[in-house]
Amino acid sequence: DAKTTQPPSMDCAEGRAANLPCNHSTISGNEYVYWYRQIHSQGPQYIIHGLKNNETNEMASLIITEDRKSSTLILPHATLRDTAVYYCIVRAQTGANNLFFGTGTRLTVIP
Amino acid sequence: DTAVSQTPKYLVTQMGNDKSIKCEQNLGHDTMYWYKQDSKKFLKIMFSYNNKELIINETVPNRFSPKSPDKAHLNLHINSLELGDSAVYFCASSQGYSLKDYEQYFGPGTRLTVT
Repeated sequence: DAKTTQPPSMDCAEGRAANLPCNHSTISGNEYVYWYRQIHSQGPQYIIHGLKNNETNEMASLIITEDRKSSTLILPHATLRDTAVYYCIVRAQTGANNLFFGTGTRLTVIP
Repeated sequence: DTAVSQTPKYLVTQMGNDKSIKCEQNLGHDTMYWYKQDSKKFLKIMFSYNNKELIINETVPNRFSPKSPDKAHLNLHINSLELGDSAVYFCASSQGYSLKDYEQYFGPGTRLTVT
């Protein structure tokens, strides 16, 4: 699985969009980008995933660059409840469905 | 209703003891997992089970023995507990183990403290 690099922490004002970057320069053609988050003292929660097209669901949007070497998770209107550690995970669509979490980005939403 | 539940939520025990953590999912999923999150917050896969069969054992010491009595349950038994076993243990489940079953549902975690 490709390695990912994320900033260790970010702040975002409540109500503003939170843009969380992830670098995955060694990603290969069959590897997907997944995002999970972990709110303090809870288990991780799936957010979104994508291969090369931009994706949107009720929680967030995922923008993947054309060369697929980086992506951005966008929370359009951050709330205090979005304060969490966000993990970007890259893995192939083959093999067992094991998730390998990195260090993630600690997002703090400020009132 | 809780999708993935774990018991106990907290577990404090002494070195050398044997303890178990239980996990149950009511999602009808075929695949279940155990993850360990250490004091530095690194979250690592330990085991994967699909339809009660072990799929993955990520070089976990054999003091850790998962047991899946049925698809809805995956328990973790730990023998001869060591200080380094102190961590938060998360159970998770997914529809299947192929990557089209991408979404994993995690339990609330069990905080194990070994003294």
